[in-house]
Amino acid sequence: EDQVTQSPEALRLQEGESSSLNCSYTVSGLRGLFWYRQDPGKGPEFLFTLYSAGEEKEKERLKATLTKKESFLHITAPKPEDSATYLCAVQAKNYGQNFVFGPGTRLSVLP
Amino acid sequence: DSGVTQTPKHLITATGQRVTLRCSPRSGDLSVYWYQQSLDQGLQFLIQYYNGEERAKGNILERFSAQQFPDLHSELNLSSLELGDSALYFCASSVGGRLDGYTFGSGTRLTVV
Repeated sequence: EDQVTQSPEALRLQEGESSSLNCSYTVSGLRGLFWYRQDPGKGPEFLFTLYSAGEEKEKERLKATLTKKESFLHITAPKPEDSATYLCAVQAKNYGQNFVFGPGTRLSVLP
Repeated sequence: DSGVTQTPKHLITATGQRVTLRCSPRSGDLSVYWYQQSLDQGLQFLIQYYNGEERAKGNILERFSAQQFPDLHSELNLSSLELGDSALYFCASSVGGRLDGYTFGSGTRLTVV
């Protein structure tokens, strides 16, 4: 069965303390892996798409990487405004254009 | 503003009732997706429409239905509501026909009492 898991469930960091979030997936025929950021009470906001193992994408303090079984979202020197829930989602060949979302990692960055 | 508009933002209704949630996709997007997000389930795909036609179905209950109109806006109808239907309902849109990230709306928070 296709599955997407994320760890840790919650993470508290001090401002400037770098860390990584993990997304592990088991799907047949990955077409793409997506990272979203969601603020409380708001819709997810698209961050990155990764298509193949070895690919990396960067945006400000965030860097996403992809292997054959997992993806990492590295956060370098985070700021309080990076606090949010980070969701990963996978799109597989038998899903059409639909995603399977992971449960998310709640990130809190303390000043 | 993401460009995807959902109304209403909040909805409180009683068990057994029927409600309609509305979504206007981003200009130029042909695909509309509906997702349900509850505390214990995460984001669950319900249904997708592309240019007026149903394209894919996920974990959508028989009490729920949706449609996409010629102007591309979409409505999600929820009937015989139960307490467990309380959740955030998100609409997302995309151009369709290519691998791409969605643009989500701000959601409708449904509370069934």
